[in-house]
Amino acid sequence: QVQLVQSGAEVKNPGASVKVSCKVSGYTFTDHYIHWVRQAPGQGLEWMASINADTGDIHDAQKFQGRVTLTRDTSVNSAYMELSRLRYDDTAVYYCASGGAVTAGLAIDVWGLGTLVTVSS
Amino acid sequence: QSALTQPPSASGSPGQSVTISCTGTSSDVGGYNHVTWYQQHPGKAPKLLIYAVTKRPSGVPDRFSGSRSGNTASLTVSGLQAEDEADYYCNSPTGDENWVFGGGTKLTVL
Repeated sequence: QVQLVQSGAEVKNPGASVKVSCKVSGYTFTDHYIHWVRQAPGQGLEWMASINADTGDIHDAQKFQGRVTLTRDTSVNSAYMELSRLRYDDTAVYYCASGGAVTAGLAIDVWGLGTLVTVSS
Repeated sequence: QSALTQPPSASGSPGQSVTISCTGTSSDVGGYNHVTWYQQHPGKAPKLLIYAVTKRPSGVPDRFSGSRSGNTASLTVSGLQAEDEADYYCNSPTGDENWVFGGGTKLTVL
């Protein structure tokens, strides 16, 4: 079955960077985008960016331009999201999700369990 | 890109039906056949409920259905059950290869 396994929780100081990994199994990694979505405590879902796992093309929300870096390693079926210049309000659960593994590309469909990133001094 | 507009809360008694709306524009909800709905229980990852406006992935009960009229998509939950109490989010692509979520609706089963 399709699975996205994310790296563990992180605690970072303001101004630092964090890198979250997302390892995919159960489908051909390069067939679909990987999306990154975050959820601050008690808040809703916020789309951040996506990467075409085949070509490496990236689309990102204007809010995160210049601070988010997406990469992928097709040799290990993994995607990575790095967020720089962390602020207190970046404290959130960060999810990776497949862009269509079970919906033939029609939706952000299968999600990882999330990675809690806490920004604290 | 502003979030899609959802009512913050909805409620119904067991066995009843509830409809949650998701309003956008012709540049997102009204312009693409990719409207998606998710269910999220506290402390859990979102779960896909409806995709491509009306399609249900395998394993999702047919009590959940989706529709759209113009720039507003809707999720209807029929025959409410206690386990349907959760947060519900809509999602749509936008015109610039980006995606946008609704603000979320907390469904309470009375």
